[in-house]
Amino acid sequence: KQEVTQIPAALSVPEGENLVLNCSFTDSAIYNLQWFRQDPGKGLTSLLLIQSSQREQTSGRLNASLDKSSGRSTLYIAASQPGDSATYLCAVSWDGSEKLVFGKGTKLTVNP
Amino acid sequence: DTGVSQNPRHKITKRGQNVTFRCDPISEHNRLYWYRQTLGQGPEFLTYFQNEAQLEKSRLLSDRFSAERPKGSFSTLEIQRTEQGDSAMYLCASTGQDGTYEQYFGPGTRLTVT
Repeated sequence: KQEVTQIPAALSVPEGENLVLNCSFTDSAIYNLQWFRQDPGKGLTSLLLIQSSQREQTSGRLNASLDKSSGRSTLYIAASQPGDSATYLCAVSWDGSEKLVFGKGTKLTVNP
Repeated sequence: DTGVSQNPRHKITKRGQNVTFRCDPISEHNRLYWYRQTLGQGPEFLTYFQNEAQLEKSRLLSDRFSAERPKGSFSTLEIQRTEQGDSAMYLCASTGQDGTYEQYFGPGTRLTVT
């Protein structure tokens, strides 16, 4: 069964700290992996997409890495700010299907 | 550049009633996806369209659910004889033809069945 797991479920850090969110997936035959941000009661905002042939993607203070052989991805957030507080979701699509399979998310709180 | 839009944003209905949601994808995006999200969970895939063709359906999509995309533009998701377990956020996403299949999501429709 193709599954996505995110650890930890919740994380609280002081402002300015660098942090890493983890995502693991079964079956290394992925097509791509997306990281999303979700604010309470809102839709999903796409942060970064990594295709299966790529090892990492960067956007501003965000860096996402992909290691297919170990079935892992990390989202690194540099110099965290209170505005980064949200739930971060990892989603994977596998070869042969366009649907995204999501983890349950990591709820991040950045304290001023 | 308008994103994915969904209407209504909120819907409260009584058990047994039918409801219909609408999704307008990003212009020129040929693929459209429906997901359902319950509290504390990640979104779960329901179905997807390439143009007007419905190409994949989840086993979550019971016979009370039907989705259409008649002209390959907007899509509707109908739930017949709603049950309290249908209460959730219904999310729509679209993607273009650049080969990345990056999905862009709308704001969702929050359904509450009383």
